[in-house]
Amino acid sequence: SQQGEEDPQALSIQEGENATMNCSYKTSINNLQWYRQNSGRGLVHLILIRSNEREKHSGRLRVTLDTSKKSSSLLITASRAADTASYFCATDTKDNDMRFGAGTRLTVKP
Amino acid sequence: DTEVTQTPKHLVMGMTNKKSLKCEQHMGHRAMYWYKQKAKKPPELMFVYSYEKLSINESVPSRFSPECPNSSLLNLHLHALQPEDSALYLCASSQETGGEQYFGPGTRLTVT
Repeated sequence: SQQGEEDPQALSIQEGENATMNCSYKTSINNLQWYRQNSGRGLVHLILIRSNEREKHSGRLRVTLDTSKKSSSLLITASRAADTASYFCATDTKDNDMRFGAGTRLTVKP
Repeated sequence: DTEVTQTPKHLVMGMTNKKSLKCEQHMGHRAMYWYKQKAKKPPELMFVYSYEKLSINESVPSRFSPECPNSSLLNLHLHALQPEDSALYLCASSQETGGEQYFGPGTRLTVT
């Protein structure tokens, strides 16, 4: 079963614009991770943020975590057509159970 | 080597067949996972092995039987599947449970 919800379900932007995706979850977590999946392929790990961290950066990615609101956001800056993919958040719960959110389908138009 | 390999890439099987999916990693990871993913849905966790022991079984039907012969290999034995079991089956590994996971490309399974 899913741990959380993501919004929006789908996002379409122009190349060069920023993309923001949100994730909410229900139970206490050890960490929250973001993954990217190109159509029908395996997932690629993007970034991991621990429950005691509030913000993390990796290249064009910025992730925030608000444990009081049980929510996280992923910001992709200066998007490229190659960023077109589905993005999932995943929570590592206190039971070491990995739960994925419903995902956001991002389309970046050239 | 940061790769997780899965075989076969595609599998078509009848409801009475017995088949196995294989997964291999050589990163020294001690946690390995099986996920099921239906089209346009997120991956659903099926099994977790930690140090070659089954640590999580997400109430998966017994027609799916996992096996971890050693720290590098993970199998999923399939028997008497149903058409609704058709999906992409993903294997992943991580250094320890809860860490960054490396995913294989998946096996696309069709049950006829």
